[in-house]
Amino acid sequence: DIQMTQSPSSLSASVGDTVTITCRASQTISSYLNWYQQKEGKAPALLIYTASTLHTGVPSRFSGSGSGTDFTLTITTLQPEDFATYYCQQGDSSPFTFGQGTRLQI
Amino acid sequence: QVQLVESGGGVVQPGGSLRLSCAASGFTFSHFALHWVRQAPGKGLEWVAFMWYDGSFESYADSVKGRFTISRDKSKETQYLQMDNLRAEDTAVYYCARDYSGSVYYIDHWGQGTLVAVSS
Repeated sequence: DIQMTQSPSSLSASVGDTVTITCRASQTISSYLNWYQQKEGKAPALLIYTASTLHTGVPSRFSGSGSGTDFTLTITTLQPEDFATYYCQQGDSSPFTFGQGTRLQI
Repeated sequence: QVQLVESGGGVVQPGGSLRLSCAASGFTFSHFALHWVRQAPGKGLEWVAFMWYDGSFESYADSVKGRFTISRDKSKETQYLQMDNLRAEDTAVYYCARDYSGSVYYIDHWGQGTLVAVSS
């Protein structure tokens, strides 16, 4: 099974900052990497798929990059609504494992 | 609009069984694969199971393999997760989620979840 490792596990930032979250796969997954945002008490929501493609309606301050085993999610000019937990997930093969999450807090 | 509504959660004793349902609407059910994903209290997301749009392929996490069974009823536009021999560590919110179902795998819509608590 493919293991997904995110770093950091938590991150403190302020409105207006730029932050980067990293996700590493235990084996190559090409560009089959997805990012989700989860706000407290809510279901997750898709942000980015295939490493860098923004889902419909996702603001352009979110961006993703990477291929193979190393991927990043970058959020520029943080807004108050961006403080949430972020998860990566590999979409290469079943089981479609998630990273452990990165909590972004003020 | 796409809707996924889970039901069937509750409190069950260790070793017991539950069947979760996921009622789908707002899209052509027979064209989309569906996942189950769970989240234990205060923990991260754990992928649980997946069934292809036509039922021809199913897959499970190692943690539930042999205990959980995924199925779907096209006429009712409903997906199920039969959970047997439940353990305390199965306590979680269970989400039904739709796969994009194209040439790549990603979840584009999520239900609101149903809580399963395994406790004596």
